[in-house]
Amino acid sequence: NAGVTQTPKFQVLKTGQSMTLQCAQDMNHEYMSWYRQDPGMGLRLIHYSVGAGITDQGEVPNGYNVSRSTTEDFPLRLLSAAPSQTSVYFCASSPRRGGYEQYFGPGTRLTVT
Amino acid sequence: SQQGEEDPQALSIQEGENATMNCSYKTSINNLQWYRQNSGRGLVHLILIRSNEREKHSGRLRVTLDTSKKSSSLLITASRAADTASYFCATDGANSGYALNFGKGTSLLVTP
Repeated sequence: NAGVTQTPKFQVLKTGQSMTLQCAQDMNHEYMSWYRQDPGMGLRLIHYSVGAGITDQGEVPNGYNVSRSTTEDFPLRLLSAAPSQTSVYFCASSPRRGGYEQYFGPGTRLTVT
Repeated sequence: SQQGEEDPQALSIQEGENATMNCSYKTSINNLQWYRQNSGRGLVHLILIRSNEREKHSGRLRVTLDTSKKSSSLLITASRAADTASYFCATDGANSGYALNFGKGTSLLVTP
């Protein structure tokens, strides 16, 4: 199993550009989530999904969209990038929401200039 | 909002010593987990303890949970240089919609 994969590893955007961060898992997990990690802030939840077709907002959803058309994929879209979105983004999955360990991808380091 | 708060923020010890990190949280939880993050990498799950458990062991790791004090501790015994990493606690419960809430982490440095 590849586990949780994320692409790209690094990305530089200009303010106002849009892009999609890809996340895929091959463990047939129902629950997938996106976090951002900023220096000294730990991880903050952006959006999550409890299954195909079902998504919900986390703590910091503004400026981001998600969709879950398949069990395997959970892309994160930045609609109009802003410097405040410079961060490291992690995708994670687990069999269910709550009470299970989460498997993390390697992360995408995004810089918005 | 972030639920967990780790203490200390940074810890420096020598190989062979024990490392203790603490986590406090604010609202009732179902489960508490500890994760490790090596520099520039994703998080790796270490251990999960449920709210009705008081202590759990995994290899050199020992986790305790005191729900009355809303706190947990992670003990790493006989530390190695390879244990150098950041350690995060994360909680889930009804208040968070069962999504994981992470603390800001403890940075552990183990010197040879």
